[in-house]
Amino acid sequence: EDKVVQSPLSLVVHEGDTVTLNCSYEVTNFRSLLWYKQEKKAPTFLFMLTSSGIEKKSGRLSSILDKKELFSILNITATQTGDSAVYLCAVGPNSGYALNFGKGTSLLVTP
Amino acid sequence: DADVTQTPRNRITKTGKRIMLECSQTKGHDRMYWYRQDPGLGLRLIYYSFDVKDINKGEISDGYSVSRQAQAKFSLSLESAIPNQTALYFCATSDPTSGSIPEQFFGPGTRLTVL
Repeated sequence: EDKVVQSPLSLVVHEGDTVTLNCSYEVTNFRSLLWYKQEKKAPTFLFMLTSSGIEKKSGRLSSILDKKELFSILNITATQTGDSAVYLCAVGPNSGYALNFGKGTSLLVTP
Repeated sequence: DADVTQTPRNRITKTGKRIMLECSQTKGHDRMYWYRQDPGLGLRLIYYSFDVKDINKGEISDGYSVSRQAQAKFSLSLESAIPNQTALYFCATSDPTSGSIPEQFFGPGTRLTVL
């Protein structure tokens, strides 16, 4: 059975801290891993990772995939209150070409 | 204008009622999906469709049905709503021609409450 496990489930940090969110997976026919940010609305796309060891960066956010150990991390440096959200990891495709989502990590950044 | 739209955005209904949630997209994508999101359970796939003639069950299809009326429209129905179907429902699309990279684009969600 395919599964995607995110940790921690929730996290509270102070502004300026650096956080690392984890995503491990066990899926058949892995093709890509995606990170989404979800505030009080629909998920918005952050990164898609297909190759091992290649870091993707966007401002203070970065992510890397380890296909041998079957995990990915999402780093956020110099956190801001606007980073507060649920971060979703998804792996695809499954047998139906849809995505398998983890339960998410809820991040709260306090002033 | 939003690429993926959902109607209604909020709905409160009673147990036993039939409910239809609608999704429309202007992205020209063949693949469409319906998910529900519950606190602590993440996103779970209900149904997906590769094209107008292709409908597939997801992991939690019981109690739901779908209709793909056109490439741009994918509706989700609850034939007889029950309280544990109270959730946030998302429609999503993806483009299989983009090298089968399954990035998905989400609608704004429909918050459904079944009393």
